[in-house]
Amino acid sequence: QVQLQESGPGLVKPSGTLSLTCAVSGDSISSNNWWGWVRQPPGTGLEWIGEIYHSGTTNYNPSLKSRVTISLDTSKNQFSLKLDSVTAADTAVYYCARPTVTKGGAFDIWGQGAVVTVSS
Amino acid sequence: QSVLTQPPSASGTPGQRVSISCSGSSSSIGSKNVNWYQQFPGTAPKLLIYRSNQRPSGVPDRVSGSKSGTSASLAISGLQSEDEAIYYCSSWDDSLNGPIFGGGTKLTVL
Repeated sequence: QVQLQESGPGLVKPSGTLSLTCAVSGDSISSNNWWGWVRQPPGTGLEWIGEIYHSGTTNYNPSLKSRVTISLDTSKNQFSLKLDSVTAADTAVYYCARPTVTKGGAFDIWGQGAVVTVSS
Repeated sequence: QSVLTQPPSASGTPGQRVSISCSGSSSSIGSKNVNWYQQFPGTAPKLLIYRSNQRPSGVPDRVSGSKSGTSASLAISGLQSEDEAIYYCSSWDDSLNGPIFGGGTKLTVL
């Protein structure tokens, strides 16, 4: 049973860097999969942030591309999200999720979510 | 970037059949599969339908999905109080080169 678990600071100062990690259990991040991040601002819908393939190839939402970095840590079986120059608009619940190839890329596994607030 | 449009709310009584629509474009729904997610307050979304009409294991067969042209629908029959949640449609968008989500439909069981 594949499980994802986000971790990282819940409070980030404006203009700072948001850093989150997603620990993967029940699967290897080196397997033939993509690994992604989705966020949900308070009271609103879902926004795709980006994804990384097991090879290290990345694909980012163009609206965030200049500020986002997603990377793999195979030694710890986890992947990470960094978002630079954050503002209050980046306040959201951040989910790591696995888009599964056998389900046409649908996100079939989600973490429980990490609440991140951008405030001084 | 394309947009997926959903009604903000839907409702039904126990036992009824409810349908939620999702309208897109030729570069999204018109040429790509649609996925549906169910989300309860304070929890992560759960995949309900993938590839427009496929159910993951564990999703009851009273839940179904369909697609026609640039629109898709999620139908729930035999409505139960536990179905009260927010439902999101999603499709791949070629201009974004990534998935887009609808704004969500809050389903109320009266």
